[in-house]
Amino acid sequence: NAGVTQTPKFQVLKTGQSMTLQCAQDMNHEYMSWYRQDPGMGLRLIHYSVGAGITDQGEVPNGYNVSRSTTEDFPLRLLSAAPSQTSVYFCASRTDRGKSYEQYFGPGTRLTVT
Amino acid sequence: ELKVEQNPLFLSMQEGKNYTIYCNYSTTSDRLYWYRQDPGKSLESLFVLLSNGAVKQEGRLMASLDTKARLSTLHITAAVHDLSATYFCAVVENNDMRFGAGTRLTVKP
Repeated sequence: NAGVTQTPKFQVLKTGQSMTLQCAQDMNHEYMSWYRQDPGMGLRLIHYSVGAGITDQGEVPNGYNVSRSTTEDFPLRLLSAAPSQTSVYFCASRTDRGKSYEQYFGPGTRLTVT
Repeated sequence: ELKVEQNPLFLSMQEGKNYTIYCNYSTTSDRLYWYRQDPGKSLESLFVLLSNGAVKQEGRLMASLDTKARLSTLHITAAVHDLSATYFCAVVENNDMRFGAGTRLTVKP
């Protein structure tokens, strides 16, 4: 049981490049989400999904796309990277079945856009 | 708009002392989370509080929730150096999870 995994751990992009951050979970959680964390700040929700085929925007969705074709995977796409997207990105998953509501975070991807 | 405010943002404590971190929020949500984050690391779940009056304790940390006052507290008892970290509270409303800015705790010998 690997929990929530993210790849890559580190990435450097040039302005205007695109890339996909990968996130996978093996806990059969229905809810998955992406956050960004800027220095000295809390996490901000980018996009989330409540199940395969269902996604919605969070607090800071601009510049990012997501899709959820399977329960396990929830990739985050940066369409045209900008320096303002330099941040640490965390993926998380949760189930509301069983009423624990515990949310688990991946190890993070540190992204630098130059 | 859903807002979450933590205070203090910075806290320097001596070992053996007690202190409380406060988390105020603007929603009627009854689900509140506390996380710990060490530098350069991911978030580690400490507590999930699900109802008014909920109290949970783990070691030197105790969290409580007052949904009427929209307030949660994280109480630290007899602090030790290993508790040095940043602590976040977070609230969920309609699947939107909002975090406080975090409290950076330093415990000094």
